[in-house]
Amino acid sequence: LAKTTQPISMDSYEGQEVNITCSHNNIATNDYITWYQQFPSQGPRFIIQGYKTKVTNEVASLFIPADRKSSTLSLPRVSLSDTAVYYCLVGEGNAGNMLTFGGGTRLMVKP
Amino acid sequence: DAGVIQSPRHEVTEMGQEVTLRCKPISGHNSLFWYRQTMMRGLELLIYFNNNVPIDDSGMPEDRFSAKMPNASFSTLKIQPSEPRDSAVYFCASSLKGGGATDTQYFGPGTRLTVL
Repeated sequence: LAKTTQPISMDSYEGQEVNITCSHNNIATNDYITWYQQFPSQGPRFIIQGYKTKVTNEVASLFIPADRKSSTLSLPRVSLSDTAVYYCLVGEGNAGNMLTFGGGTRLMVKP
Repeated sequence: DAGVIQSPRHEVTEMGQEVTLRCKPISGHNSLFWYRQTMMRGLELLIYFNNNVPIDDSGMPEDRFSAKMPNASFSTLKIQPSEPRDSAVYFCASSLKGGGATDTQYFGPGTRLTVL
C-alpha cells in the first residue's frame, strides 16, 4: 500500500482558500487518490477522488501533478463548518483492495 | 435513503460483559466494513464483508471480537468479554460494489463504546 504523509493540523480563517497537500511518493500505476472529510462526532464522508491532473466538484478541487507523487486538496473560501479532519488515501480501484486511513489533517477554521 | 444505521449510538458497559453493536447498510450495497477509531490508533479497518461473506478479517484484534452478516441488511460486531482498552468509536460503512478505491464508502454515525 502506498504510504501517505500529510500535515497533522492546519489553521485558517473564514473566507480563505485552504490547500492541504498529501505526499505519496510510492504511488503505484493503478492507485487512485481519494479524500475523505470527518466532522466531529460523525463518520468520514467522501469528498473527491482523482487519478491525474485536476478534478473539481461542488465541494473541492483536487490537483495532481504529472508524477502523481503528491496531491493537493483545495477548499475555496472556507467557513467555520469546514472545521474537520481531512484524510488522504491512496489505493487501487479494484475490488477487494482496501483503503487505509492515516492520521489525517485537522483543519481549524477561525472566525 | 436513511444512510447507514448503527445502534446503539452510545454504550457503557463493565469489563467482562458482552457487547453487541449493530449495523444496517444502505439498501443495495454489496460491501460492509467495520472500523474502530481511537485517538491513539486512528481509524482502523476491523473486517470487510462482500455479499454477506467475510473477505478480510485481518484487522480483528483478537478472538474476543467476532462479526457476522446473516443477510444483506444486517451485521453485528460482538465483543466478548469486553475490556477497557476496547473503548472506542466503532463505525460501520457500506459501499455499492466490492471495495477498492473507486467504490465510495458511506459511513454510519458510529457507536461510542465505553468499557469501565
